[in-house]
Amino acid sequence: EPEVTQTPSHQVTQMGQEVILRCVPISNHLYFYWYRQILGQKVEFLVSFYNNEISEKSEIFDDQFSVERPDGSNFTLKIRSTKLEDSAMYFCASRGGQGANEQFFGPGTRLTVL
Amino acid sequence: AQSVAQPEDQVNVAEGNPLTVKCTYSVSGNPYLFWYVQYPNRGLQFLLKYITGDNLVKGSYGFEAEFNKSQTSFHLKKPSALVSDSALYFCAVRVGILTGGGNKLTFGTGTQLKVEL
Repeated sequence: EPEVTQTPSHQVTQMGQEVILRCVPISNHLYFYWYRQILGQKVEFLVSFYNNEISEKSEIFDDQFSVERPDGSNFTLKIRSTKLEDSAMYFCASRGGQGANEQFFGPGTRLTVL
Repeated sequence: AQSVAQPEDQVNVAEGNPLTVKCTYSVSGNPYLFWYVQYPNRGLQFLLKYITGDNLVKGSYGFEAEFNKSQTSFHLKKPSALVSDSALYFCAVRVGILTGGGNKLTFGTGTQLKVEL
């Protein structure tokens, strides 16, 4: 069964460093998303991406964040200068075509900023 | 704006008993409703959805959920709980209009289900 994959599973970085979180969505899906979950809190929407551009973003997704689909398979989230409060589990999700409603989530990347 | 409330942080049931995990929602327009389950150190797994049609929807692992428009609720149910059902359950909503590539999900705070022998 096709699934969303994410690498790395755990990333530890120093405050101020740049990190790139990688995702491989389900093949032939068209809509891509990043969410995050701070420990003990609910899952929060960050950004959605369709047709090679951002279609919606939350207030959390400020200028320090960017997303890219550099080739036909990867979908990346970059944080330019990490802060302590960026420590969270980051989930990538993808959704099929117009008639598809559910989003399928990857296993997540745990980001720890020291 | 859209929001989801899961009033119970934790639900405890005995194995073999029926379980209910509660969810209420608020959205402008027709709601698309979802339940996801999260096992420790794992991602979110899709369980079931309500889009339109029958108010009772069936999903994976014997779970079902009942959409109640007047009460704006979408409670998750299972007739007979298993110990292996113990996990964190999230209700989510989005507006049921497909506009471009948006359609973000808004999640509740999650309910920890504990099924004991």
